[in-house]
Amino acid sequence: GAVVSQHPSRVICKSGTSVKIECRSLDFQATTMFWYRQFPKKSLMLMATSNEGSKATYEQGVEKDKFLINHASLTLSTLTVTSAHPEDSSFYICSARGGTGGSPYEQYFGPGTRLTVT
Amino acid sequence: AQSVSQHNHHVILSEAASLELGCNYSYGGTVNLFWYVQYPGQHLQLLLKYFSGDPLVKGIKGFEAEFIKSKFSFNLRKPSVQWSDTAEYFCAVRGNNRLAFGKGNQVVVIP
Repeated sequence: GAVVSQHPSRVICKSGTSVKIECRSLDFQATTMFWYRQFPKKSLMLMATSNEGSKATYEQGVEKDKFLINHASLTLSTLTVTSAHPEDSSFYICSARGGTGGSPYEQYFGPGTRLTVT
Repeated sequence: AQSVSQHNHHVILSEAASLELGCNYSYGGTVNLFWYVQYPGQHLQLLLKYFSGDPLVKGIKGFEAEFIKSKFSFNLRKPSVQWSDTAEYFCAVRGNNRLAFGKGNQVVVIP
């Protein structure tokens, strides 16, 4: 089946620094990628949707200047948390859909990245 | 935008017991419905999905779900659980190209 990977799986950074998280679709070309944030005991919250080659669409309440999303190719999307603060500590999950090799209706999820800001 | 509600966040049951997890959604248009499972330390995996046709959907590992349109529900069931079913289960609804998740059910199966 379609596989989505994320790197790194865990990252600890100091307050004020920036962190980049990569999301790759390994065996299919993803026309659309999604970034979610998962809080403890809460559901996955969609942060933004990005289509390859175009600007990401952010959900209400998500700061686009803080959470920079780049979807440069059909197999790679990156999320950069800029000037991270402790409240940004969370579990970030990417998801990919569509394109060649994957079902156009099904979203495939990455394993997630645990971000801790100290 | 659609919303998804799951009740009874924590469920504890013994092996061989039956499991039913409720999922209700609110959205006026056409929806696609999903149940995902997240085993400890692993990523989300698709259990089953409903797009159209037979409202009773069978998924992997003996799970099934029934879409009842009039009740806006998509409940998940398994007649006899195993210890390996210990996981978190998420209901998700896609409408208007957005996939919204419920808060999840933490299921613990006691051997």
